[in-house]
Amino acid sequence: RKEVEQDPGPFNVPEGATVAFNCTYSNSASQSFFWYRQDCRKEPKLLMSVYSSGNEDGRFTAQLNRASQYISLLIRDSKLSDSATYLCVVNTGLRNQFYFGTGTSLTVIP
Amino acid sequence: EAGVVQSPRYKIIEKKQPVAFWCNPISGHNTLYWYRQNLGQGPELLIRYENEEAVDDSQLPKDRFSAERLKGVDSTLKIQPAELGDSAVYLCASSAPDSRYGYTFGSGTRLTVV
Repeated sequence: RKEVEQDPGPFNVPEGATVAFNCTYSNSASQSFFWYRQDCRKEPKLLMSVYSSGNEDGRFTAQLNRASQYISLLIRDSKLSDSATYLCVVNTGLRNQFYFGTGTSLTVIP
Repeated sequence: EAGVVQSPRYKIIEKKQPVAFWCNPISGHNTLYWYRQNLGQGPELLIRYENEEAVDDSQLPKDRFSAERLKGVDSTLKIQPAELGDSAVYLCASSAPDSRYGYTFGSGTRLTVV
C-alpha cells in the first residue's frame, strides 16, 4: 500500500464552483501535512500546511482527520488561475521523511 | 533569501552518456532531497541527506545513479550511463530541521535522453 494516495482526477469545474480534494495516508504516526501546488512544467510550491484544528487561507480550507487518516483541501469560488495539480505531502516524523501523493489535476473552465 | 538553486535547467543527452545535476539548498537547511518526477506523476524520492549523510537511498538505482553532498551543503546527482527511461524532471529540495514547515523545491532539471 502506498504511503499517500490521491485521486488523480482530472477535476474540471466551472469558474466560481467549489471543489474538494482528499488524500489518505497509511502511517498513523504521521505528524505533518501539507498541500503543494504544481503548475505545468514548474516545481511544486507550498500552498498551505494542514493543522489539526483545520485552517483557512482565503478561498482555501485544509482539514485533517486523524481518525480516518485523510486530509482535504477545499477551494471555494474557483478561479481560472487555480488550474494546477495539487499534491498532498505527509511527513512521518521520522527524520524529515516526506511522502507525496501522485497529485490531483484541476482545470477551472470559463 | 535565495531559494533552492539547481542547474542546469535543461539537458539533452544521448543514451549511454553521463550527466550530472547540481543543487545548492537554502542556507541553514540541513536536509536535502533529490526527487525524480515523470509526467503526470508525483515526485519520487531518490535520496535524502541529513547534512552529508545519505539517510535514505533505498530508491536510488545504484547501478547507474550516484549522489554526493561532501560538505553538507551543495549536492550533485550523477547518472552514468543514462538510459532512455531516465528522461524526467530531477528536482532538488531542502528543508529546515523543523519539519513542520515543509520543504522548498528548486526549479528542477529537465533531462531528455535521446
